[in-house]
Amino acid sequence: AAGVIQSPRHLIKEKRETATLKCYPIPRHDTVYWYQQGPGQDPQFLISFYEKMQSDKGSIPDRFSAQQFSDYHSELNMSSLELGDSALYFCASSLYTGLNTDTQYFGPGTRLTVL
Amino acid sequence: AQTVTQSQPEMSVQEAETVTLSCTYDTSENNYYLFWYKQPPSRQMILVIRQEAYKQQNATENRFSVNFQKAAKSFSLKISDSQLGDTAMYFCAFLNQAGTALIFGKGTTLSVSS
Repeated sequence: AAGVIQSPRHLIKEKRETATLKCYPIPRHDTVYWYQQGPGQDPQFLISFYEKMQSDKGSIPDRFSAQQFSDYHSELNMSSLELGDSALYFCASSLYTGLNTDTQYFGPGTRLTVL
Repeated sequence: AQTVTQSQPEMSVQEAETVTLSCTYDTSENNYYLFWYKQPPSRQMILVIRQEAYKQQNATENRFSVNFQKAAKSFSLKISDSQLGDTAMYFCAFLNQAGTALIFGKGTTLSVSS
């Protein structure tokens, strides 16, 4: 079965640079979520989109922005990168059923290293 | 605000034995969902099992089963016949009925040895 695709898998940037992370959800899934996992930490929710509209927002810095496109893929844009942004960034997707909350399936993650 | 607590930072078990990982949570909601995710050294987040709060029956997936105690707000994971491939970090996670952000516990590192 097709899974969530994230690109790139690894990214190395310098401080103050920008980065764009991409997420392609499981086919037919209409909801995308972004999480940040620092070293030795649990994943922290950043932001989510349903049908191209932001559905919830967590601890996402103002330097970060995200959007979901008409083909349901999503991009997380990160500017003015800081050393503390070094983390594993997960994208997850689910299918909104209208009645029950469906399970979030995670991609393999993008490992961002800021030097 | 909802919180998830995993009180066992590390656990170890021998192959073929059974191990139980603990998780407690706090919420004022009546309808919600609970999950266990596994994160092996590859760092991939893999769904292990899901439980709907309105269901009294405990979820089971092959060697994995849960003990869901709604009144006590407890959601433990039992792994039977442990295998070396079960070695991973296990996260307990809460999802409210609105179904947006997963709230994770701090995780339990499970080591399975031969």
